[in-house]
Amino acid sequence: DIVVAQSPGSLAVSLGERATINCKSSQTVLSSSNNENYLAWYQQKPGQPPRLLIYWASTRESGVPDRFSGSGSGTDFTLSISGLQAEDVAVYYCQQYYSIPWTFGQGTRVEIK
Amino acid sequence: QVQLQESGPGLVKPSGTLSLTCGVSGGSISTNNWWHWVRQPPGKGLEWIAEIFHSGSTNYNPSLKSRVTISVDRSKNQFSLELNSVTAADTAVYYCARERGSGSYQGFDYWGQGTLVTVSS
Repeated sequence: DIVVAQSPGSLAVSLGERATINCKSSQTVLSSSNNENYLAWYQQKPGQPPRLLIYWASTRESGVPDRFSGSGSGTDFTLSISGLQAEDVAVYYCQQYYSIPWTFGQGTRVEIK
Repeated sequence: QVQLQESGPGLVKPSGTLSLTCGVSGGSISTNNWWHWVRQPPGKGLEWIAEIFHSGSTNYNPSLKSRVTISVDRSKNQFSLELNSVTAADTAVYYCARERGSGSYQGFDYWGQGTLVTVSS
């Protein structure tokens, strides 16, 4: 199985500041056939299902604000939230879809400082 | 707009079988997408369980494969999950979800609201 590790486990950021979440996979999720990274990011608020934010490591899902951005390649990835807003308080997960079983990171809780 | 809705018992006895159904509305289950089950123990992270294509092709998480069956009913536009020999460790919110990609994997773009299944006598 590909192990996906996120850091930090939680972070507190002031409103309007940048939040940065890291995700590291135990092996590459970069496909040599299409040069895409098979990694997604989700946001989960209490009592709600996860919401897809980013796929292919850096492509925003339709309707996702552009303050959310994904970057990275191979085994190391980052989700950035620029200009944190109160509604961004949530737990964020990365997920690899390179090989079965699809696996998720343990989650990063983002709070307001 | 595709909508997914989980249904099934909220309480299952230890050693029993957990059975859930995911009804799909606003679109056909017979599209070029995979359909998934994901679970989340209370206060914990997400675990992928299994996936199915409308043709009946399936893939399972090896950690659960011996106890899990996923199936599809195209006539009812729904797919189902059975997990047998359950223990307290199977207590979780169970979500059904749709793979975003049409013919490829791109993450899960539509999710049900989730249903809490508790394993207890």
